[in-house]
Amino acid sequence: EVQLVQSGAEVKKPGESLTISCKTSGYSFTTYWISWVRQMPGKGLEYLGKIDPTDSYTTYSPSFQGHVIISVDKSISTAYLQWRSLQASDTAMYYCARLSPFDMWGQGTMVIVSS
Amino acid sequence: QFVLTQPPSVSAAPGQKVTISCSASSSSIGNNYVSWYQQVPGTAPKLLIYDNNKRPSGIPDRFSGSKSGTLATLGITALQTGDEADYYCGAWDDSLSAEVFGGGTKLTVL
Repeated sequence: EVQLVQSGAEVKKPGESLTISCKTSGYSFTTYWISWVRQMPGKGLEYLGKIDPTDSYTTYSPSFQGHVIISVDKSISTAYLQWRSLQASDTAMYYCARLSPFDMWGQGTMVIVSS
Repeated sequence: QFVLTQPPSVSAAPGQKVTISCSASSSSIGNNYVSWYQQVPGTAPKLLIYDNNKRPSGIPDRFSGSKSGTLATLGITALQTGDEADYYCGAWDDSLSAEVFGGGTKLTVL
């Protein structure tokens, strides 16, 4: 069974760094790109970017370029989404999803950024 | 680049049929495929339709998709109360190298 299991909810202060994870199982990790999608409270879906687990080639939506970092660790079939300096506006649910299309999704990680 | 526009809400009675539109602002959507996702409140989105009109394994044939030019449509027949959810369309934007999602449509089954 294909599964994408994300790390738990996080509460952080503005300016802090954070990395959330998406552990995959049930398929060959390097066969599918992994994407990250944001959903702010009460709002729609927004695409952040994607990564090819084979070689870690990454592309970002222009709206998120430079603000988040997507990476993988092939040895443990896990993808990551990282912030070096969080802002209150990063408060949202974040989903990882297998491409393409987005056929399998993680359960989501809620990130709350508040002073 | 393009924007995908969906109606904010639609409603219909159980057993009836409903359609949800997804209109691209530009012909630059071109021949790119449209996907549809269902999101029940409090849960992750689920793929309903991909490549305009294909259903993943396990999705009932009550759900259908079509695309003509810059307009994509999701159809749901024999509505059930369990179909109440938010529905999103999505398509790849070659100029942005990014997936674009519609704003979502809330389906109410009265």
